[in-house]
Amino acid sequence: AQKVTQTQTSISVVEKTTVTMDCVYETRDSSYFLFWYKQTASGEIVFLIRQDSYKKENATVGHYSLNFQKPKSSIGLIITATQIEDSAVYFCAMREGNYNQGKLIFGQGTKLSIKP
Amino acid sequence: NSKVIQTPRYLVKGQGQKAKMRCIPEKGHPVVFWYQQNKNNEFKFLINFQNQEVLQQIDMTEKRFSAECPSNSPCSLEIQSSEAGDSALYLCASSLRGGSNERLFFGHGTKLSVL
Repeated sequence: AQKVTQTQTSISVVEKTTVTMDCVYETRDSSYFLFWYKQTASGEIVFLIRQDSYKKENATVGHYSLNFQKPKSSIGLIITATQIEDSAVYFCAMREGNYNQGKLIFGQGTKLSIKP
Repeated sequence: NSKVIQTPRYLVKGQGQKAKMRCIPEKGHPVVFWYQQNKNNEFKFLINFQNQEVLQQIDMTEKRFSAECPSNSPCSLEIQSSEAGDSALYLCASSLRGGSNERLFFGHGTKLSVL
């Protein structure tokens, strides 16, 4: 069965620095899709970035990038030049590729606090 | 701002009562998901639909949960007989079909409190 694990419960960094959040996953499928979402204090959940397992290049969107290490089943999220507004809970999620539009399995979340 | 509309935002029920919540997916999104998020932030997948058809669902052996996405009407999730353990945030999300545009758009959720 697929599983997504985020071991960092919370992280606190100073504004304008770079932060990395860890995520490891388990799947038996050769094709899968990895996502990161952010849940703000107001409860809003927003998609940030995705990585398709067959792509070797790490995805990058704005100041978000991924560190995809397939042999380690790891998909870290890197946020550069952090801002106060980046304070939120970040969730890693995975969908196996053998079922189009299948469910996402979410990790437990990492709470990120950005200090001025 | 979320274009997935969930109502009501808050729902308070007594044990044994029915609890019903609704979701209007983003326009043009054929796929709808329901998740339960508990107080520890854990997501539990409940069910998903493509148009009106169920794609996947958990083993609702207690049969207390039911959901539907009728044509031209909001999707709904109903708990027939609420229990204290059902207290959680119920999230509806919609999505385009697969491909590079696949991602979930979430509503703000319905926070259910079962007293």
